[in-house]
Amino acid sequence: EPEVTQTPSHQVTQMGQEVILRCVPISNHLYFYWYRQILGQKVEFLVSFYNNEISEKSEIFDDQFSVERPDGSNFTLKIRSTKLEDSAMYFCASSIGLAGSTDTQYFGPGTRLTVL
Amino acid sequence: AQSVTQLGSHVSVSEGALVLLRCNYSSSVPPYLFWYVQYPNQGLQLLLKYTTGATLVKGINGFEAEFKKSETSFHLTKPSAHMSDAAEYFCAVTVTGGGNKLTFGTGTQLKVEL
Repeated sequence: EPEVTQTPSHQVTQMGQEVILRCVPISNHLYFYWYRQILGQKVEFLVSFYNNEISEKSEIFDDQFSVERPDGSNFTLKIRSTKLEDSAMYFCASSIGLAGSTDTQYFGPGTRLTVL
Repeated sequence: AQSVTQLGSHVSVSEGALVLLRCNYSSSVPPYLFWYVQYPNQGLQLLLKYTTGATLVKGINGFEAEFKKSETSFHLTKPSAHMSDAAEYFCAVTVTGGGNKLTFGTGTQLKVEL
């Protein structure tokens, strides 16, 4: 069964450094997402991406964050200058994009980002 | 804006007992509702979803949920718990036109005891 993959599984970085989290969505999916889960808190939406542009973003997704579809398979989340409060599990998800909001979003296993 | 409330951050049941995990939503427009399960060190897996039509929806692993508009609820049930059901369960809501953004509840950790 096709699945969303994410690399790395764990990333440790120093405050102020840039990080790029990588995701490979399911191949025929058209909608891509990033969510994050701070330890002990709920899963929070960051951004959705469709047709090579951001479809929706949350107030968390400020100028420090960016997303890119650099090629036909990868979807990346970049944090330009990491803060301690960026420490969280980051989940990538994708959906087929045919029925919009009713499509199932398939989640990857997550990247745990630790900012020191 | 839509929101989800999950009552009970931790629920413990005996193996073979009924599982009931509660979810209430708030939305000014018709919602689409989802239950996801998260096993340790894994991503979120869809259990079931309600979009339109039949209000009782069946999902994987014997779970089902009923959409009750009058009660703004979407509780998850399973008649007989199994040890393998121990996991964290998240209820989520989305609506049309919001970039498919899922709004999650705080989750319920289900423990199944012998």
